[in-house]
Amino acid sequence: AQSVSQHNHHVILSEAASLELGCNYSYGGTVNLFWYVQYPGQHLQLLLKYFSGDPLVKGIKGFEAEFIKSKFSFNLRKPSVQWSDTAEYFCAVTSSGGSYIPTFGRGTSLIVHP
Amino acid sequence: KAGVTQTPRYLIKTRGQQVTLSCSPISGHRSVSWYQQTPGQGLQFLFEYFSETQRNKGNFPGRFSGRQFSNSRSEMNVSTLELGDSALYLCASSVQGEDEQFFGPGTRLTVL
Repeated sequence: AQSVSQHNHHVILSEAASLELGCNYSYGGTVNLFWYVQYPGQHLQLLLKYFSGDPLVKGIKGFEAEFIKSKFSFNLRKPSVQWSDTAEYFCAVTSSGGSYIPTFGRGTSLIVHP
Repeated sequence: KAGVTQTPRYLIKTRGQQVTLSCSPISGHRSVSWYQQTPGQGLQFLFEYFSETQRNKGNFPGRFSGRQFSNSRSEMNVSTLELGDSALYLCASSVQGEDEQFFGPGTRLTVL
């Protein structure tokens, strides 16, 4: 069974600090990778996704993530966070092709102080 | 396009009762997935329906069931409610299932 680990459960940063949220998955086959974000009081929404091709993917609001297959990782980064980035971030994995069960990490709560 | 809608938004039930939650996906989306979100466990996948068939199922007891109608709307039913069923239940739709999921606002279920 596949699993997703998000190492940082709570992160507190000041504005303009750099952000990196870790995500590791366990699955031996081909995967699709996602980062979702849930802003306070809002729905979960897609931040970025990786299906194939360039392992460095760019998402909305200046976020990017790098897929490193050898490390089974898909870390999320942003060079300079803003107060409006305060939210909960979820990494998710689905297996590519055929039957799948999407697996989410437990989430990382990010608080950015102005 | 209208987003994913879920009704009701809030629900309070007592142990032993049953509950039905409803989800209307984005028009054109054939896949509907249900998740249970709790502070301690994050998002746990319940099941996915595609073209009226349950295509995938998570690791939840048989008290949790669902169905999908021909217009892709989906319902989730929980029977014999337990205190531990208190959670936010999220519905998500996508075109095919493996791609980006669009989430609804959720139904907050409280079991007393």
